[in-house]
Amino acid sequence: KNEVEQSPQNLTAQEGEFITINCSYSVGISALHWLQQHPGGGIVSLFMLSSGKKKHGRLIATINIQEKHSSLHITASHPRDSAVYICAVAEYGNKLVFGAGTILRVKS
Amino acid sequence: DSGVTQTPKHLITATGQRVTLRCSPRSGDLSVYWYQQSLDQGLQFLIQYYNGEERAKGNILERFSAQQFPDLHSELNLSSLELGDSALYFCASSDRDDEQFFGPGTRLTVL
Repeated sequence: KNEVEQSPQNLTAQEGEFITINCSYSVGISALHWLQQHPGGGIVSLFMLSSGKKKHGRLIATINIQEKHSSLHITASHPRDSAVYICAVAEYGNKLVFGAGTILRVKS
Repeated sequence: DSGVTQTPKHLITATGQRVTLRCSPRSGDLSVYWYQQSLDQGLQFLIQYYNGEERAKGNILERFSAQQFPDLHSELNLSSLELGDSALYFCASSDRDDEQFFGPGTRLTVL
């Protein structure tokens, strides 16, 4: 079993829909990261959180430390949100262990 | 633009060869991380340096080595290259154990 599990693996949504991507992990962590990777390959850090909830524009990330679960929500999705979303957990120090990613496609 | 630079962008080489990938962190960041992204293994942590010292090691092969120099730039050396080493290599930097900022990556193709 992988230390970090993401679901779904693939997601197709219509423009304007509310999107949720889930991440579960099995190890003790100091923080959880959500990353976005566009088709060109570049990786952008969206959130780093260790408790509660963070919001940035149309993106919201939540984490439940007791349940070892995090969600990334996208409100009012747009085709430009199409990308791979990767959950990563920070073990000791800041060493990241990555999920397999969720491929999101938003259709107009 | 994350402020992290990596060179070269693309590298094509042959099996058995040795290459060096270079990373310059964001100004002020003391930590540098190296990651490998391959089609079959996904993203994997290779190694972390903090202010010139190795801090954490991941799934880094013995054929690979890295160092961080006094000006904080880092190099990842890959030797005796195999076909399976073909991948995207990312460098990231952070201030202590904070959010990591990723470079654009180096795409390595081993023929």
